[in-house]
Amino acid sequence: RKEVEQDPGPFNVPEGATVAFNCTYSNSASQSFFWYRQDCRKEPKLLMSVYSSGNEDGRFTAQLNRASQYISLLIRDSKLSDSATYLCVVPPSGYSTLTFGKGTMLLVSP
Amino acid sequence: EPEVTQTPSHQVTQMGQEVILRCVPISNHLYFYWYRQILGQKVEFLVSFYNNEISEKSEIFDDQFSVERPDGSNFTLKIRSTKLEDSAMYFCASKMRGDQPQHFGDGTRLSIL
Repeated sequence: RKEVEQDPGPFNVPEGATVAFNCTYSNSASQSFFWYRQDCRKEPKLLMSVYSSGNEDGRFTAQLNRASQYISLLIRDSKLSDSATYLCVVPPSGYSTLTFGKGTMLLVSP
Repeated sequence: EPEVTQTPSHQVTQMGQEVILRCVPISNHLYFYWYRQILGQKVEFLVSFYNNEISEKSEIFDDQFSVERPDGSNFTLKIRSTKLEDSAMYFCASKMRGDQPQHFGDGTRLSIL
């Protein structure tokens, strides 16, 4: 099983839609979880950190399910500017480097 | 909000030449990183640096690569003899402590001719 797995998408949604991405991870000892977004040819930007069961920031909600080893990202009321690749990052416990997958591409259309 | 800054934004270099990419991490951060991203591929870890020494490095980070923190603010990546396949975006990142997220600079696009 890969360390982190995400549906590559693309997810095509209209403006205003609610969209959810799931991410499964293999290392049960991981303690911190991050969602980054990356626009084309730009740097990864931190969207949300999750250390306990979840986190919410405006239209964005992340939920962590330790028993099933997955973390989700919910985006409500999608905007055109939400179009990007969303990267789930789960550093193995005791390691500080980040391992990135290819992420999930989201395309929000008018 | 404090940022990680990288210079130059774009570097064009002849194959075989040395190149130095510069980064100024966020001032109170203690952990520093270099990543690269070849066009169309995922972000790949190169090296991490803590307490004035390399703490981890990947297979990509071979003898041609080195890092330095020459003063209290800069963190540099040197490639001694560049190859065509070194062409990529290079991202510097930093974080304050172990469980905190990393913050990325906006990258240097390295083009090897």
